[in-house]
Amino acid sequence: NAGVTQTPKFRILKIGQSMTLQCTQDMNHNYMYWYRQDPGMGLKLIYYSVGAGITDKGEVPNGYNVSRSTTEDFPLRLELAAPSQTSVYFCASSRTQSGTGELFFGEGSRLTVL
Amino acid sequence: GQQVMQIPQYQHVQEGEDFTTYCNSSTTLSNIQWYKQRPGGHPVFLIQLVKSGEVKKQKRLTFQFGEAKKNSSLHITATQTTDVGTYFCAGGTLGGSQGNLIFGKGTKLSVKP
Repeated sequence: NAGVTQTPKFRILKIGQSMTLQCTQDMNHNYMYWYRQDPGMGLKLIYYSVGAGITDKGEVPNGYNVSRSTTEDFPLRLELAAPSQTSVYFCASSRTQSGTGELFFGEGSRLTVL
Repeated sequence: GQQVMQIPQYQHVQEGEDFTTYCNSSTTLSNIQWYKQRPGGHPVFLIQLVKSGEVKKQKRLTFQFGEAKKNSSLHITATQTTDVGTYFCAGGTLGGSQGNLIFGKGTKLSVKP
């Protein structure tokens, strides 16, 4: 059981470039989330999904897009990268609705935009 | 908007000393979760409290949920170097969207051997 797997672990982007952070889980969880973590700050929710084909914005969605074509995968796309998107990104999943049960986090993707 | 405030931001203790971190919400919470993040690692779930006034223990860790379900605390007795990391509380909010879990900014614990 791998849990939640994120790739890549590290990436450096130039301003204006685009990229996709991959996230896959093998726990058959319906609920999946993308968070960003900035130094000294908590976790901010970017987007979440309650099941395949359903996504919704979180607290800080600007500059990002997501899709959920399967239960397992929840990629996060950054369009026109900006220095403000330098952060550590965590994908997470849960068996039950957010706030009602444990979140399982991936190991994170550290992104630097120069 | 809804916020979960967590204090202190940093705590440095000598090994063997106790440690406490506190969370306060501006609104009533449906539940509170606690996570630990080791340096360079990812958050790992510790526990969830749901009932008003609930107290749960995990070995040296004691978790409390306030009577009004607006505050919570994590207390570690006799800290060890393995306790190093950042402890986050996360409050589940009533109503709203499916994504409502508000994280505090965390308390970073360092333990001097």
